[in-house]
Amino acid sequence: DAGVIQSPRHEVTEMGQEVTLRCKPISGHDYLFWYRQTMMRGLELLIYFNNNVPIDDSGMPEDRFSAKMPNASFSTLKIQPSEPRDSAVYFCASSAWDRGTEQYFGPGTRLTVT
Amino acid sequence: AQKVTQAQTEISVVEKEDVTLDCVYETRDTTYYLFWYKQPPSGELVFLIRRNSFDEQNEISGRYSWNFQKSTSSFNFTITASQVVDSAVYFCALSPYNNNDMRFGAGTRLTVKP
Repeated sequence: DAGVIQSPRHEVTEMGQEVTLRCKPISGHDYLFWYRQTMMRGLELLIYFNNNVPIDDSGMPEDRFSAKMPNASFSTLKIQPSEPRDSAVYFCASSAWDRGTEQYFGPGTRLTVT
Repeated sequence: AQKVTQAQTEISVVEKEDVTLDCVYETRDTTYYLFWYKQPPSGELVFLIRRNSFDEQNEISGRYSWNFQKSTSSFNFTITASQVVDSAVYFCALSPYNNNDMRFGAGTRLTVKP
């Protein structure tokens, strides 16, 4: 079975540019999560969706960040405009409907903003 | 408020030694889930175990074992006869029973030397 798929795996961009990260959850999973991992702050939950609907976006750092889930098999995390402090590894994860079940993570996207 | 503390930032052992990774948590919820994840040098997050708060039975899976003690709010992870391939960062995490707001500890970096 395919796991969570993320693209791109690496992204290098200049400050001020728009960045779009993509995620395909595991088929049949109805929860999707976006996390950010940095050395300073560790793993932070940014936002999560249930059945394509955003449930909690309190972790989104600021208005420059936005996330969408247009259907059950695709989600995007967009940063516009990007800043050097956005440099991090961004993970997407998905889980099944029963609450608290384990989340399965994608390989991550390493974003570098210069 | 939920909080997960992994006091050990780094641990180094020699192959075949046993090692225990500590995890202490705080929550006001009466029901919750606890997790352990492994992040090897390749960067992906690998799910290891989920434990329900109402099930305090210890669990063993091969060389891995977990000790859940509600009285001390701890969920420790022991690797028996460690191997070089066990070298990774290990994360403990907590989520309430009624939502998916998973909180991760800061992680413990385990290095197993040959």
